[in-house]
Amino acid sequence: DAGVTQSPTHLIKTRGQQVTLRCSPKSGHDTVSWYQQALGQGPQFIFQYYEEEERQRGNFPDRFSGHQFPNYSSELNVNALLLGDSALYLCASSSWRSNTYNSPLHFGNGTRLTVT
Amino acid sequence: KQEVTQIPAALSVPEGENLVLNCSFTDSAIYNLQWFRQDPGKGLTSLLLIQSSQREQTSGRLNASLDKSSGRSTLYIAASQPGDSATYLCAVSRSNDYKLSFGAGTTVTVRA
Repeated sequence: DAGVTQSPTHLIKTRGQQVTLRCSPKSGHDTVSWYQQALGQGPQFIFQYYEEEERQRGNFPDRFSGHQFPNYSSELNVNALLLGDSALYLCASSSWRSNTYNSPLHFGNGTRLTVT
Repeated sequence: KQEVTQIPAALSVPEGENLVLNCSFTDSAIYNLQWFRQDPGKGLTSLLLIQSSQREQTSGRLNASLDKSSGRSTLYIAASQPGDSATYLCAVSRSNDYKLSFGAGTTVTVRA
């Protein structure tokens, strides 16, 4: 049973460029959340997708956008990259249908984004 | 705004010693609290989830307690092993709120 998979594992971009990160949720999961984790800090919530809609958004600018596909996989897009966007981007999936707020999150290993 | 604090930021113990990790949160109106483990450069692995109506959860050598009224949770790891070396993060959720609010974590080193 594959867990949450993210691609790519590492990425180096130049300031001002755009990037797309991808996530496949754990089998049986229908909800995908994205988090940004700066070095030495806890993850910060970016947004959550359910039924192909953004259900909730954290305190991130509009440069951060996402999408969820009918197969529940998801993409995170970041435009006009800044040096401060360098971080580990984590995708987490859960099953909303089976257990509302008490569904434990399953995290992928993340994408390490470096902006130079 | 929910603030989650974990103290200490780092901890080093000899193998076999019991570990006590602390987590505090400012808003007691939580729905649940989760403890995660993170190995360097990796994602998070869920260890324990405590619902707001519960006082503690246990899994093997791990035991987590929750005191909502004081805004505190403690993770106990019995008889630590070098393989327990990792960063441990706690996170809380609120009703009608889909996000988790994380602490910065406690980095644990267990010396052989």
